[in-house]
Amino acid sequence: EAGVAQSPRYKIIEKRQSVAFWCNPISGHATLYWYQQILGQGPKLLIQFQNNGVVDDSQLPKDRFSAERLKGVDSTLKIQPAKLEDSAVYLCASSPWAATGNTIYFGEGSWLTVV
Amino acid sequence: DQQVKQNSPSLSVQEGRISILNCDYTNSMFDYFLWYKKYPAEGPTFLISISSIKDKNEDGRFTVFLNKSAKHLSLHIVPSQPGDSAVYFCAASLDSNYQLIWGAGTKLIIKP
Repeated sequence: EAGVAQSPRYKIIEKRQSVAFWCNPISGHATLYWYQQILGQGPKLLIQFQNNGVVDDSQLPKDRFSAERLKGVDSTLKIQPAKLEDSAVYLCASSPWAATGNTIYFGEGSWLTVV
Repeated sequence: DQQVKQNSPSLSVQEGRISILNCDYTNSMFDYFLWYKKYPAEGPTFLISISSIKDKNEDGRFTVFLNKSAKHLSLHIVPSQPGDSAVYFCAASLDSNYQLIWGAGTKLIIKP
């Protein structure tokens, strides 16, 4: 079974530029998550989708971050404009249903450095 | 406001000995706890969980202990193996269907 796929793996951009990350969840998984993990901290949930609807985006900085999951499969996370403090690993995860911790599968992450 | 705390950034243990990783939480409403393991350049993977109705859960070499009165849980790995070298995250939620709140992680190094 293929895992959660993310791209790009690494990205370096200048502040105020934009960046987009893509995620393809495990086939058949209804729930998709985007997490932000800053070095030395645990993952922080940015947004959770159930199919193509948003379940929780309370911690998404909506002035600069946006995410969509068209057709309830792939998802894109965009940052525009980027700030230095956005440097982090962006982890996409999926699960067959809502937030049951032991069934959440993570991708390898997209590493963002903002200079 | 860190609701889940892992106060040891790193831990070094001799191969074959017991590794004990600790986690403290502040929200007494949490009743579902998990440990995840993360290798470099990979996403976290689920290791073991425990519900608040239990005080111990065991899976092979891994045992999680929960002390609700102290708001403390620990992960014991016996015996420790080189492949156990990784970052271990503790996470908690209000129940098994709620958002996970994560600790900052503890880097475990197993020395040969």
